[in-house]
Amino acid sequence: GQQVQQSPASLVLQEGENAELQCNFSTSLNSMQWFYQRPEGSLVSLFYNPSGTKQSGRLTSTTVIKERRSSLHISSSQITDSGTYLCAMRAGGYKVVFGSGTRLLVSP
Amino acid sequence: NAGVIQTPRHKVTGKGQEATLWCEPISGHSAVFWYRQTIVQGLEFLTYFRNQAPIDDSGMPKERFSAQMPNQSHSTLKIQSTQPQDSAVYLCASSLQREGGGSAETLYFGSGTRLTVL
Repeated sequence: GQQVQQSPASLVLQEGENAELQCNFSTSLNSMQWFYQRPEGSLVSLFYNPSGTKQSGRLTSTTVIKERRSSLHISSSQITDSGTYLCAMRAGGYKVVFGSGTRLLVSP
Repeated sequence: NAGVIQTPRHKVTGKGQEATLWCEPISGHSAVFWYRQTIVQGLEFLTYFRNQAPIDDSGMPKERFSAQMPNQSHSTLKIQSTQPQDSAVYLCASSLQREGGGSAETLYFGSGTRLTVL
């Protein structure tokens, strides 16, 4: 079955609103990462966060290993935040498995 | 640092033709990954090299797909007798993967090759 479940599948926000994106893992994980995929397709690493909380500007990632979940919080969303957010986990070995993504649209 | 470079950006082939996709990882990165992305399947792992050696090709279709890494500066993904269902964006990523792991596992992706099989 799906090792990585992401929710919500899509999200529409008005500029300035906050967003909470979730990833749940069906197996214990060794590491996890969050990526942002721009509308034209390029992928950018946001966080390498195997456990605990990391913050970068308006983005905060929290991974709770025991609960097999990770979240990405976007505060004060901006139009330029629109795109797809993907989480990825490494359970064992070096294969990194991706979730299906959350499509975010921030409107004025 | 130019990042991970993939060529070509777009490739259109006729059914049954061969397609070769190229990837130049970031200099000094020991790990290279190939992924395929479609709307239906999302990002699927294909294969992984470490220090040029093939480590895990569990995601590669058994027929028609092959990947090589002849030197540390490039990897190729070859699809023989392409079929319409092979149409996808093929993404290459590299990472440092030093001993001890940590943020050295961060994947850096290229811009991808969009393959269209007519």
